[in-house]
Amino acid sequence: DTEVTQTPKHLVMGMTNKKSLKCEQHMGHRAMYWYKQKAKKPPELMFVYSYEKLSINESVPSRFSPECPNSSLLNLHLHALQPEDSALYLCASSQAGTDNQPQHFGDGTRLSIL
Amino acid sequence: RKEVEQDPGPFNVPEGATVAFNCTYSNSASQSFFWYRQDCRKEPKLLMSVYSSGNEDGRFTAQLNRASQYISLLIRDSKLSDSATYLCAVKSGGFKTIFGAGTRLFVKA
Repeated sequence: DTEVTQTPKHLVMGMTNKKSLKCEQHMGHRAMYWYKQKAKKPPELMFVYSYEKLSINESVPSRFSPECPNSSLLNLHLHALQPEDSALYLCASSQAGTDNQPQHFGDGTRLSIL
Repeated sequence: RKEVEQDPGPFNVPEGATVAFNCTYSNSASQSFFWYRQDCRKEPKLLMSVYSSGNEDGRFTAQLNRASQYISLLIRDSKLSDSATYLCAVKSGGFKTIFGAGTRLFVKA
């Protein structure tokens, strides 16, 4: 069982909808991440939060809006997505401040844009 | 050249075989290295970190060669349940981790 919990597991939405993906971890990690993964491709980093502050934005379109309400929660707000945004969205967390700590992934939200 | 490269495979091996994967990285300043396993339509799961001196966890052995800039994963006595995609991951400082595209392994009875 993963210690990083993501909801929903599946999401189908139209291009005009607004929805949010949620991620929660209780491992005391202070770094949290959003990745996008297309089929047969590696996870691609979207955002990193460190101590609840946005640390990295990998030039992600503004239709994706991250939010970190507290040290355990990470949200990804979606608005006016495109069909090419259909993918598996993975949340991950890790200890902050040390480079040799691995990331632990949630089981993802499979997103389909109609 | 990609920052992290892996042979995509697939590797098809019989049960009990020994199989090895390599992963090369281009940034000589890379500091931390990991192997993840990903099953079809699931999330990547950490298999093991890779330490400078090499490390072993049961049937799995990971090694790092800084001079040639590659890491390797050796699986001994392959099981059917080892069938998955194996992703290498490289951190070069800070929070950014680059993943290889993965190597697919099929273990057959």
